[in-house]
Amino acid sequence: DAKTTQPPSMDCAEGRAANLPCNHSTISGNEYVYWYRQIHSQGPQYIIHGLKNNETNEMASLIITEDRKSSTLILPHATLRDTAVYYCIVRGEGGSYIPTFGRGTSLIVHP
Amino acid sequence: ETGVTQSPTHLIKTRGQQVTLRCSSQSGHNTVSWYQQALGQGPQFIFQYYREEENGRGNFPPRFSGLQFPNYSSELNVNALELDDSALYLCASSLELPRRTRDEQFFGPGTRLTVL
Repeated sequence: DAKTTQPPSMDCAEGRAANLPCNHSTISGNEYVYWYRQIHSQGPQYIIHGLKNNETNEMASLIITEDRKSSTLILPHATLRDTAVYYCIVRGEGGSYIPTFGRGTSLIVHP
Repeated sequence: ETGVTQSPTHLIKTRGQQVTLRCSSQSGHNTVSWYQQALGQGPQFIFQYYREEENGRGNFPPRFSGLQFPNYSSELNVNALELDDSALYLCASSLELPRRTRDEQFFGPGTRLTVL
């Protein structure tokens, strides 16, 4: 599975959009991009995933560049409860699944 | 629909002891993965079980072993505990076959293990 690079920390004002970048320059054609978040003292929570097209659900939007070497998770109206560590993972098909979580991005949403 | 549960929530052991951690998968899920998360780090994959068979293993020594039962609940066993085994242990269950790309994992709250 491809490795990912994320900024260690970001902050955002409550009510504003939070844009969290992820670099996955070695991603291969059949690998998906997944995002999870982990609120303090809880297990990680699935947010969204995508292959090529942009995706949106009730939690967030995922924008994947045309060359698929990077992506951005967008929380359109961040709230204080969105304060968490956000992990970007790339995941291929076939073979054994060995997911690699990096250190993620610690997002702090402030009033 | 019940979520993923883990027990116990906290545990204190001494070096050299053995520990068993338990996980109850989300209803209907046939795949379970275990992770170790040290303080300030992301979760590190230990192994995954699919229909009671190990289906992938991370870089952990053999003293980390697991079981998955017919009802898809799971155990993580760690023998000869070391100080560095102190961590949050997470299990995650998923519905899809492990070889498929859709792998939305549902994580439990974790077991905090402290080794003294």
